[in-house]
Amino acid sequence: DGGITQSPKYLFRKEGQNVTLSCEQNLNHDAMYWYRQDPGQGLRLIYYSQIVNDFQKGDIAEGYSVSREKKESFPLTVTSAQKNPTAFYLCASSSTVIAGQPQHFGDGTRLSIL
Amino acid sequence: QKEVEQNSGPLSVPEGAIASLNCTYSDRGSQSFFWYRQYSGKSPELIMSIYSNGDKEDGRFTAQLNKASQYVSLLIRDSQPSDSATYLCAVGETGGFKTIFGAGTRLFVKA
Repeated sequence: DGGITQSPKYLFRKEGQNVTLSCEQNLNHDAMYWYRQDPGQGLRLIYYSQIVNDFQKGDIAEGYSVSREKKESFPLTVTSAQKNPTAFYLCASSSTVIAGQPQHFGDGTRLSIL
Repeated sequence: QKEVEQNSGPLSVPEGAIASLNCTYSDRGSQSFFWYRQYSGKSPELIMSIYSNGDKEDGRFTAQLNKASQYVSLLIRDSQPSDSATYLCAVGETGGFKTIFGAGTRLFVKA
């Protein structure tokens, strides 16, 4: 079955530590996205990628980094510079990055600070 | 700042009733509109996409779009307890690459 796989489901970060969230898709989609969701709030865009080896900052990119070395994979690193990382992180993909295409989401990763 | 506004709710309806969820958006040129359902602790799931003014029906769900009023709604007929979730309205950015999400409306369907 085609879909988006995020891992791990739960992640705990220690002070000063970088952590990496995995996102893999087998939908053959060109575009991939990372969102952050805080309780009672909408999804906020962290980074997006239109194509391999290219990615763009979203609205809240500070303290985060990404790579897109393969079409299927778009990992997100939460760096120690992100002082409030506790949130639900969602990876999504769409056939293209044009805003008219619907996005499909993985199951998410919950990140907390130890 | 482009915005998508939704009443946070909760909206409570009895089983079998019609639930009406509303959304307004600020980007006048937007051409693509989406409704997602998000169960507690889960990720959003696409329910409907709508691109033209008027109604679009899919089973018990009807999306309604009025671009002149910058308003999009979702009707759920014969509401079931399993419809209890948060419904996110999302709007594609004009000429851009972003989809702007509202904060969602919580729906409770009482058995």
